[in-house]
Amino acid sequence: DAKTTQPTSMDCAEGRAANLPCNHSTISGNEYVYWYRQIHSQGPQYIIHGLKNNETNEMASLIITEDRKSSTLILPHATLRDTAVYYCIVRVPLYNFNKFYFGSGTKLNVKP
Amino acid sequence: DTEVTQTPKHLVMGMTNKKSLKCEQHMGHRAMYWYKQKAKKPPELMFVYSYEKLSINESVPSRFSPECPNSSLLNLHLHALQPEDSALYLCASSQALPLNTEAFFGQGTRLTVV
Repeated sequence: DAKTTQPTSMDCAEGRAANLPCNHSTISGNEYVYWYRQIHSQGPQYIIHGLKNNETNEMASLIITEDRKSSTLILPHATLRDTAVYYCIVRVPLYNFNKFYFGSGTKLNVKP
Repeated sequence: DTEVTQTPKHLVMGMTNKKSLKCEQHMGHRAMYWYKQKAKKPPELMFVYSYEKLSINESVPSRFSPECPNSSLLNLHLHALQPEDSALYLCASSQALPLNTEAFFGQGTRLTVV
């Protein structure tokens, strides 16, 4: 059962910020939001994750709303190589492993 | 070493064949996963192994048989598959709880059943 909803596709101009939204209205208090991307049927690549605070790393920023029902992944300066399918995922901790629930993904098209 | 290695990269098999997919990691992860991904769809969880024991089977048909012979290896044995089983099969690994960490995915095996 998908715990996230995402737009099917988005366009972004090269060099501009790409803002990818995700709704996870049923998320529980101990469940993390993760973002992965997948380029042309390669394995998914980890981008960033967070619980309730905003997070930033060398690839992206993650903004989580105060009620935790939605989040936005920000790629600050999109390049053509950022064209990929971006998955918003809820990580559910079970007793000794995690279960990762993939959303349907957003195809980001970065255009020159 | 932060890689999950899957072999083979491509596999074509007949409906009466028996084949195996292999997955290996050397990150000390004790949770390993098999996912199936059809074209233009997100990955779907098939199996989860935790500490070499099967923890989740997402109602996968018995023609798919997972095996975790040790903490670094994960196999998926295939027998009597159907053409609709053609897909990208992804392996992943992660730390087991309670550590907060990401899952690392392999590049997948592209399976075609003829």
